[in-house]
Amino acid sequence: KNEVEQSPQNLTAQEGEFITINCSYSVGISALHWLQQHPGGGIVSLFMLSSGKKKHGRLIATINIQEKHSSLHITASHPRDSAVYICAVSFLDSNYQLIWGAGTKLIIKP
Amino acid sequence: GAVVSQHPSRVICKSGTSVKIECRSLDFQATTMFWYRQFPKKSLMLMATSNEGSKATYEQGVEKDKFLINHASLTLSTLTVTSAHPEDSSFYICSARPMGSGANVLTFGAGSRLTVL
Repeated sequence: KNEVEQSPQNLTAQEGEFITINCSYSVGISALHWLQQHPGGGIVSLFMLSSGKKKHGRLIATINIQEKHSSLHITASHPRDSAVYICAVSFLDSNYQLIWGAGTKLIIKP
Repeated sequence: GAVVSQHPSRVICKSGTSVKIECRSLDFQATTMFWYRQFPKKSLMLMATSNEGSKATYEQGVEKDKFLINHASLTLSTLTVTSAHPEDSSFYICSARPMGSGANVLTFGAGSRLTVL
């Protein structure tokens, strides 16, 4: 069964802290996406990964294909980073359809 | 980079009316678009796969007569919620795969929040 698990479900941290959000999946994938959803609902695509590591500003995403695991890191976190972060995976046998993680609600306190 | 525009971003309608949501690829052609729905405090769920020039493929449990999907051109897919009911209130998101790109490449719309009164 194709499954995606995210952790933690909720995360509250102080401004400036280093944040890590994890995503694990069950079987082989063709790609993994990290998305950000703001309180109003709007979705922003952050990264698409199939291997290795990507960096954009204070955001870093890594994926370990052997471990079937990806992490999203935020350095020097800021209150404006507060959002729900969602991991979505395209499995090899799924005809490009995405299976979504439940999301991680991140709150950064000033 | 590739941009997908969803419109409207928010819509409020009365029960029994129909609402159309557009998903438009602005600078690329998309043979395949996907429609998702997000229930409150829950994960996103794939509703259907929309292929240009052919009928959409609906996921199990999604009523095709309720949620009409039309992918009439390589840059536009529409989702029409017919005879809307308050339980249809939700957040709807589309994604598009550029023509000729790898399977991994998807661009997401920002989403549309539907409220049915």
